[in-house]
Amino acid sequence: KQEVTQIPAALSVPEGENLVLNCSFTDSAIYNLQWFRQDPGKGLTSLLLIQSSQREQTSGRLNASLDKSSGRSTLYIAASQPGDSATYLCAVSGNYGQNFVFGPGTRLSVLP
Amino acid sequence: ETGVTQSPTHLIKTRGQQVTLRCSSQSGHNTVSWYQQALGQGPQFIFQYYREEENGRGNFPPRFSGLQFPNYSSELNVNALELDDSALYLCASSLDYRGSNTEAFFGQGTRLTVV
Repeated sequence: KQEVTQIPAALSVPEGENLVLNCSFTDSAIYNLQWFRQDPGKGLTSLLLIQSSQREQTSGRLNASLDKSSGRSTLYIAASQPGDSATYLCAVSGNYGQNFVFGPGTRLSVLP
Repeated sequence: ETGVTQSPTHLIKTRGQQVTLRCSSQSGHNTVSWYQQALGQGPQFIFQYYREEENGRGNFPPRFSGLQFPNYSSELNVNALELDDSALYLCASSLDYRGSNTEAFFGQGTRLTVV
């Protein structure tokens, strides 16, 4: 059974810092890993998708890496801004009988 | 703009009632998944539909049921509502449920409150 964990559960940083969010999964047989952002009470916005054959993806100030063999992914946010404050969720897809298995999320606060 | 729309956005129901939530998937997507997200937790998988057939189900009781229509839009029905059903219900669509086509696009969610 696939299980996804995220560390830390919450993070508070001053504006301008670079930061790393961690995601771990127990079954390395995945199709994709996807990072999402969720604002309070809102739906999920897709940030980055990494296919199982890829090692990383970049979009603007965001960079996500994938190490499938060790069951780990990191989301790197450069030069953080108050507008980055949100919950960040990682999710993996695979042959589980469901589309995605989600982690519990990391709640990020970027202080001005 | 993801193209996935959910209705209604907010809903208040009384315990014991029934509710229907709706999801319009992104154009060309044949897979729709439903998730329940309690406050402060990650989304929990309810079930998934592929080409109008349910092809996966999470640990939810039978009073949670669904449908997918020929245009791949979907409904989530919950009977005999309980207070613990209060949550954000999320719908996601993807091209497929297998392989590299599983990138998911989510709607804005329906906030259900059971009183």
